[in-house]
Amino acid sequence: EVQLVQSGAEVKTPGESLKISCKGSGYSFTTYWIAWVRQMPGRGLEWMGIIFPGDSDTRYSPSFQGQVTISVDKSISTAYLQWSSLQASDSAIYYCARCESISGFDYWGQGTLVTVPS
Amino acid sequence: EIVMTQSPATLSVSPGERATLSCRASQSVTSNLAWYQQKRGQAPRLLIYGASTRATGIPARFSGGGSGTEFTLTISSLQSEDFAVYYCQQYNNWPRTFGQGTKVEIK
Repeated sequence: EVQLVQSGAEVKTPGESLKISCKGSGYSFTTYWIAWVRQMPGRGLEWMGIIFPGDSDTRYSPSFQGQVTISVDKSISTAYLQWSSLQASDSAIYYCARCESISGFDYWGQGTLVTVPS
Repeated sequence: EIVMTQSPATLSVSPGERATLSCRASQSVTSNLAWYQQKRGQAPRLLIYGASTRATGIPARFSGGGSGTEFTLTISSLQSEDFAVYYCQQYNNWPRTFGQGTKVEIK
C-alpha cells in the first residue's frame, strides 16, 4: 500500500527554524516526484515546489523560491521542507504529494499543521 | 506562470442534480490537467488526470473534458458525499499551478 506519512504538528515562534518531513512507503521512492503544497487557513492549494528523489532535481514556485528549502534523503525514503526563519504568515497546513513526471498527484500525505503565533 | 481560473467560486446544487465546474488556463496546458476533491479536514483526492481520465476508484458520475485552455468537471448526479471543494491543476509547465477552487454546496 502506497503511503506518505508526514511529521506531526508544530508550534513555533517567529524567527525559529523548522524542518518537516514526508516519508514514503509501498512504492519505489526514487522514481516518483514529491511536491509540497501549502494551504493557509480557509484558503486554496498553493504549489510550492517539487523534488525528484532519484537525482534531487528540485523546482520551486517563484512565490516560494528563497523562502523554503526542499530536500530529500533517499536512504530513508523521506522528503523535507524547511524554513530558516519562520514568520506568522507561514502558518498553514503543508501537504506532500507524489506524482510521476507529467501527471497529477495520486497520493497525498495527511498534512502537517504549522502554527507561528504573531 | 500559468494562471488557472475556476468558476463559479460557489455552486449551489440539490442532491441528484448535475453540476458543471469550469477551469480556464491563461495559456495552453494541452491535456495536462488534473481535478481534485477536498473535503473539510482532509487532504485532497485525485479525481481526474489527463483532463478526462478518472483516477483509480473514482465513480463514473465524475467526468472531465476539454483541452488547451478550457476544461470542465461534471458530476452527473450529486450525492451527499460530493459536497466539497474542487480544484483544477495544470502540470504542463513549471511551476505547476492550482485554480482557486469551486465550493459545491447543498442547495
